[in-house]
Amino acid sequence: GENVEQHPSTLSVQEGDSAVIKCTYSDSASNYFPWYKQELGKRPQLIIDIRSNVGEKKDQRIAVTLNKTAKHFSLHITETQPEDSAVYFCAARALGEKLTFGTGTRLTIIP
Amino acid sequence: EPEVTQTPSHQVTQMGQEVILRCVPISNHLYFYWYRQILGQKVEFLVSFYNNEISEKSEIFDDQFSVERPDGSNFTLKIRSTKLEDSAMYFCASSARRDSYYGYTFGSGTRLTVV
Repeated sequence: GENVEQHPSTLSVQEGDSAVIKCTYSDSASNYFPWYKQELGKRPQLIIDIRSNVGEKKDQRIAVTLNKTAKHFSLHITETQPEDSAVYFCAARALGEKLTFGTGTRLTIIP
Repeated sequence: EPEVTQTPSHQVTQMGQEVILRCVPISNHLYFYWYRQILGQKVEFLVSFYNNEISEKSEIFDDQFSVERPDGSNFTLKIRSTKLEDSAMYFCASSARRDSYYGYTFGSGTRLTVV
């Protein structure tokens, strides 16, 4: 089955700097890659997603890139703000319905 | 914005007891899911449900687990005889479509504590 690796597990950046989180996946049939933000004790919330027929997608300060050949995808957050502090999960979906999640990255924005 | 609602928000139960976690999916959604998250760990898929039957399930979803859509609005997860290792946050999710390019919305979760 699908295996998703995520790095780093923790990341601290100065407010205003950029943050990058990377994921790799194992199943070449995976074709949908969402990113979720989870604040302490709350539900995962979808912040951006990308389909396998697209190499990059942007939404304001957030962007995701996908390299199908290398089977990796990355989340980029620019001009980070304190409210960006949270745990971020990548996920991948192949055939079927289940999402396979990465192990999460705890992002801390230092004021 | 429509939400997936879950009750209770927190349940404490004794080992060996049965628990039922409840979810009300978004009203026009047809596909329903349960995931769990052990404290500090990643979110793990349990089961997907469509047209009154399980469409996919994980290794975690053994004979102790069952799901049901008892009426037109609720979607439940039952754990027959809880174990300590069942302590986790359980998230329900729903989606309107099944195609693999489509995301879904998670509920606010039920924190299950087995003592």
